[in-house]
Amino acid sequence: GAGVSQSPSNKVTEKGKDVELRCDPISGHTALYWYRQSLGQGLEFLIYFQGNSAPDKSGLPSDRFSAERTGGSVSTLTIQRTQQEDSAVYLCASRAIAGRTDTQYFGPGTRLTVL
Amino acid sequence: SQQGEEDPQALSIQEGENATMNCSYKTSINNLQWYRQNSGRGLVHLILIRSNEREKHSGRLRVTLDTSKKSSSLLITASRAADTASYFCATESNDYKLSFGAGTTVTVRA
Repeated sequence: GAGVSQSPSNKVTEKGKDVELRCDPISGHTALYWYRQSLGQGLEFLIYFQGNSAPDKSGLPSDRFSAERTGGSVSTLTIQRTQQEDSAVYLCASRAIAGRTDTQYFGPGTRLTVL
Repeated sequence: SQQGEEDPQALSIQEGENATMNCSYKTSINNLQWYRQNSGRGLVHLILIRSNEREKHSGRLRVTLDTSKKSSSLLITASRAADTASYFCATESNDYKLSFGAGTTVTVRA
């Protein structure tokens, strides 16, 4: 595909349920990022994958959040036992090569609503 | 944590006028980037300025960077209704992560 894609575009869930959000980066991009944007706020960094290196998880807000990247391509962000404060838009971005001043290309995001 | 802070939080201008917004940050950076976001969804990359650059142009956009003051400005000239959006600055340091500000909401009135 031409850009970063994310699915689903919208997700409504009940408090306490688990959710999985998917990101398909641009083909060939080695770096992948997850961000979260709460209403009216800027983006908050969550996690960063670069090639086969261990991911940088320093932005994950709690141990209910986890992410994996299979085969160096598709990534899944999992939120367990969702809480209402998890409601936000979750954005994924990919980048050709980390360590260079390359642009991060963002997907359209997944809007998560926890009731 | 958010490093960048945009000013003003909101801006309303008439079509054809220029829009200027500012961004301040706290720590040393490799580069600073500006993004546009429409309707609270995907971000569009506008321009990247490296720490050793002072000014950059792209179409109707002009970005300045003053590393001594840890600040940047984005100027949109001859604004159009389609420029209505939220604008974010984001800084990148050696950790290769972007740190975003809360954004400036720009409304261009026809």
